[in-house]
Amino acid sequence: DQQVKQNSPSLSVQEGRISILNCDYTNSMFDYFLWYKKYPAEGPTFLISISSIKDKNEDGRFTVFLNKSAKHLSLHIVPSQPGDSAVYFCALLETGANNLFFGTGTRLTVIP
Amino acid sequence: NAGVMQNPRHLVRRRGQEARLRCSPMKGHSHVYWYRQLPEEGLKFMVYLQKENIIDESGMPKERFSAEFPKEGPSILRIQQVVRGDSAAYFCASSPARTSYNSPLHFGNGTRLTVT
Repeated sequence: DQQVKQNSPSLSVQEGRISILNCDYTNSMFDYFLWYKKYPAEGPTFLISISSIKDKNEDGRFTVFLNKSAKHLSLHIVPSQPGDSAVYFCALLETGANNLFFGTGTRLTVIP
Repeated sequence: NAGVMQNPRHLVRRRGQEARLRCSPMKGHSHVYWYRQLPEEGLKFMVYLQKENIIDESGMPKERFSAEFPKEGPSILRIQQVVRGDSAAYFCASSPARTSYNSPLHFGNGTRLTVT
């Protein structure tokens, strides 16, 4: 039962352009939405988050958008840099729950 | 990832042996989570512990798997009588409080278990 889906396993973007990573979910009980970044042979690193009362949160080059009615979450990176090349996971949480539900990840490659 | 220490980084076990994975949380963190990542999949929650207590083990397989977080020392994930399907990357994460929007998890670099 895959509650969180990242339908694009990979994405290639030219340096300086915008990267858009998408995440869809089925459980309307999720309240908190996070993005993690993972380099090979390392653990995931927290990047940015948003709560369900907002539809946008921005932190430098990273912006997360939430469309609750469509149950859709996206991460925008602009401008993209080669160091952004990594696997990006969305992770969702219900209020009061103990576990994050992770998507399957999207491998972003930023081409210099 | 600095701060959450997992060892070993790589562990090879034959079928039927035991695997013990260790996790030392970040300083000041008393909440520990274990996640497993199978090839080509996302991370899946296994268990959530606080010092000396298992809070939620709803993601743990019913048999062969156990976890502890003693008063002193690291958290241990133990897999008895390993099978090939246990081959995966096991990640430990810690936080100062139960994970939430304001208390994201800090992950270690994982232990890659290979069962031959």
